[in-house]
Amino acid sequence: SAVISQKPSRDICQRGTSLTIQCQVDSQVTMMFWYRQQPGQSLTLIATANQGSEATYESGFVIDKFPISRPNLTFSTLTVSNMSPEDSSIYLCSVRGPGANTGELFFGEGSRLTVL
Amino acid sequence: AQSVTQLGSHVSVSEGALVLLRCNYSSSVPPYLFWYVQYPNQGLQLLLKYTSAATLVKGINGFEAEFKKSETSFHLTKPSAHMSDAAEYFCAVSGSGGGYNKLIFGAGTRLAVHP
Repeated sequence: SAVISQKPSRDICQRGTSLTIQCQVDSQVTMMFWYRQQPGQSLTLIATANQGSEATYESGFVIDKFPISRPNLTFSTLTVSNMSPEDSSIYLCSVRGPGANTGELFFGEGSRLTVL
Repeated sequence: AQSVTQLGSHVSVSEGALVLLRCNYSSSVPPYLFWYVQYPNQGLQLLLKYTSAATLVKGINGFEAEFKKSETSFHLTKPSAHMSDAAEYFCAVSGSGGGYNKLIFGAGTRLAVHP
């Protein structure tokens, strides 16, 4: 398995501001995934971050709103830009487990954002 | 394309009773299936996975799930519930065959265990 650390674990933000979430993995991984979990909801994939290339965004998510960086094989950041109360969610970083063909993901503890 | 349906957003059982959480999937390719658990204020933890080997899969904490292709189901069970099992449970599916496959999650089932 992989150990994934996220910062911040939680934050309260003002409308219109931006916040960057950091994700650090204890091993080198090709793909890192960012999910959003809105209150009382399931997980929705925002984007896939590959090192050395642009992130791939899912339908409904755009780079201007959720810019992602992937500077190396153990680190990624997700920025939530120009936040509104609708962005209040848990944001989860995940990586694929060893034996990538089996598809399971390992998750960080999540970053709980509240936008006022 | 893949999708997952979890029947019952809330399930309540007595301590010591059988736990049954239902999951049905839709997949255009042979699926890989997963159950995750999320305790309050924590990330997701993998309980068990089906990856086309044995259809009855045993996971952590006494949970198991059976893949039934004819019913397109992957229900999660535990013979005897414990208070510590109270959590949110998510079923997820991805396509098999290796390479990059998205993990698609169901809506989740919140399990409550009462004395």
